[in-house]
Amino acid sequence: EVQLVESGGNLVQPGRSLRLSCAASGFSFDDYAMHWVRQPPGKGLEWVSGIIWNSGIIRYADSVKGRFTISRDNAKNSLYLQMNSLRPDDTALYYCAKPMRAWSKSSGFDDWGQGTLVTVST
Amino acid sequence: QSALTQPASVSGSPGQSITISCTGTSSDIGSYNYVSWYQQHPGKAPKLMISDVNNRPSGVSNRFSGSKSGNTASLTISGLQAEDEADYYCSSDTSNNIRVFGGGTKLTVL
Repeated sequence: EVQLVESGGNLVQPGRSLRLSCAASGFSFDDYAMHWVRQPPGKGLEWVSGIIWNSGIIRYADSVKGRFTISRDNAKNSLYLQMNSLRPDDTALYYCAKPMRAWSKSSGFDDWGQGTLVTVST
Repeated sequence: QSALTQPASVSGSPGQSITISCTGTSSDIGSYNYVSWYQQHPGKAPKLMISDVNNRPSGVSNRFSGSKSGNTASLTISGLQAEDEADYYCSSDTSNNIRVFGGGTKLTVL
């Protein structure tokens, strides 16, 4: 059974940093691209960032480019999101998501974690 | 990098069929057959209902189907059931090699 468990969410002041983690199990982690998707309270989904299986291609949404860094450690079956210069509009539930197909940059996300809440506020 | 456009809400009665549209541009939906649809119930993580325009993952009811014409994708739910009431989101790859989501559509089963 695929499991994705996010952690690291917290209440943080504007301008500060936070690092999210996603522990993966139940599948061959190093065969899959992985993504972060966020959802502000009461609002819709927003794709944040994606990284392919060997970290060779990384992409970011314009809203986080230059502030967030995605990475992965295949030996630890883990995905990370380093978030710097946080702003109040970064407040959201952050999901880790796995595509349906291995070795694919483009398939839909068939597995999601439960999310970890990041709140940016004074 | 604009969000895809979905109607804010749609409704239907049990047993009926409804269609949710998702309008993009020639830089996303119009250029790629990588449109996905997600269902989200309150307090739950999204669930993949359709991938690659019209590919239904294992375990998803065949009442759900997807299609695409030009820059617009559509999700059709036939034989509407009470448990279909949820928020639905479309998503597409883009020419910038990023993903974009629609704003979401709230489906009400009357």
